[in-house]
Formats: sequence, structure tokens, C-alpha cells
Amino acid sequence: SQQGEEDPQALSIQEGENATMNCSYKTSINNLQWYRQNSGRGLVHLILIRSNEREKHSGRLRVTLDTSKKSSSLLITASRAADTASYFCATDSGGGSNYKLTFGKGTLLTVNP
Amino acid sequence: DVKVTQSSRYLVKRTGEKVFLECVQDMDHENMFWYRQDPGLGLRLIYFSYDVKMKEKGDIPEGYSVSREKKERFSLILESASTNQTSMYLCASSFIGTGWKLFFGSGTQLSVL
Repeated sequence: SQQGEEDPQALSIQEGENATMNCSYKTSINNLQWYRQNSGRGLVHLILIRSNEREKHSGRLRVTLDTSKKSSSLLITASRAADTASYFCATDSGGGSNYKLTFGKGTLLTVNP
Repeated sequence: DVKVTQSSRYLVKRTGEKVFLECVQDMDHENMFWYRQDPGLGLRLIYFSYDVKMKEKGDIPEGYSVSREKKERFSLILESASTNQTSMYLCASSFIGTGWKLFFGSGTQLSVL
């Protein structure tokens, strides 16, 4: 079952612009994570935000979390062509031995030089 | 550096064959996961394991089995491959000490003809 859903499905911007991707989910979470995937490769972890946090920064990335709306956003500032990739949000469920992450379908970001 | 290695980057198999996808991690992580990724469907969890010889079904376990005889190795088995199992298969590992973030392998693109 798909827990997180990213929006938009695809986003095309010019280099230097900001890119915003959104994620909505359905059930309570402990944390929400964002991952990046370059074409045909594995995913790379970008940032984790806990349910008691509202905003987190890492370099050019800014993530917000609104648990009342069950939504999160990922902002990439001053985008570069190298940021072209698919971006996924992932929400957790279970704990201990049952811990697992459920991923959305992703947002394909294209940054044009 | 963290490393998750999937034995094959590309595999071509015939319908009805038994297929083994191997994944090895060198980080002493307890948890390991197998996902499949299909266009428009995102990542879907097949099986996961939280310890040696332990396994849990994910969202789409039908047609698959897994084996975890050693902590570092998690194998995905297609007992009788079918064309609808043509997909990108991604292995990942995680550990509570990393905040449960997942480390992914590069993926195996499996084609079943």
C-alpha cells in the first residue's frame, strides 16, 4: 500500500530556480524521509524529519512537516543541472523488528541548464 | 563508507526459471529490505528481514521468497519467474543507530522473457 504520495509527478525548472515538491501521507508517522534517485540507480538518503519537528535544513535542502495536514514539502534552492533526479518521500511504520519504510511514486525533477 | 552490493546490474531470464538476486551489506545492519520499482508505481516492498533467519512479508510478497542465512546477506528468490516480474529490484539495509535511514544498492534490472 502506498503511504506517501508526491506532488507534482514531474517538475521542470531552469537552473538557479527553486524547486518545491510535496508529499502527503495517510497515517501517523514517527518520521518522514526524503530520498533522491538518479536515473536507473539506487536511492540515496537526503534528509529525515521527525514527527515532532516542523522544519529541517541541510545545505540547499529545506524540509517542512505538518502533521496536522499529514504533509511534507522538500525545497531545493538555487537548483543545478546535477539536481536532475527523481525524489521520493518515505514514511515509516511499525517499530523494532517490524520497522519498514513505504515510498511514494516520486517526483521527477528536471533542471535545465 | 557504507556499501550495499547487489550481485548483478542486469539479468535476463526465461519464464519458469528459478532466479536468485543477491544482496550483501558491509555495515552490520540488522534490517534488510527488498523493493521492486516499476514505472508509475514507485517502490513497493516485497520482503524484509530484521535478523538472521527472520523474514516478514511486505506489500507484494506473492511469487517471491527470501533467505537470510547470514547477517550481511539477503537473497530474493523468484521460484518460477514470470514476465510480470520484469522490474528493477532494489535492496536496502538499515539500523536503528542510523535513525532508520535506508542505504540502497545500485539495483538489478531483471527482464523475464
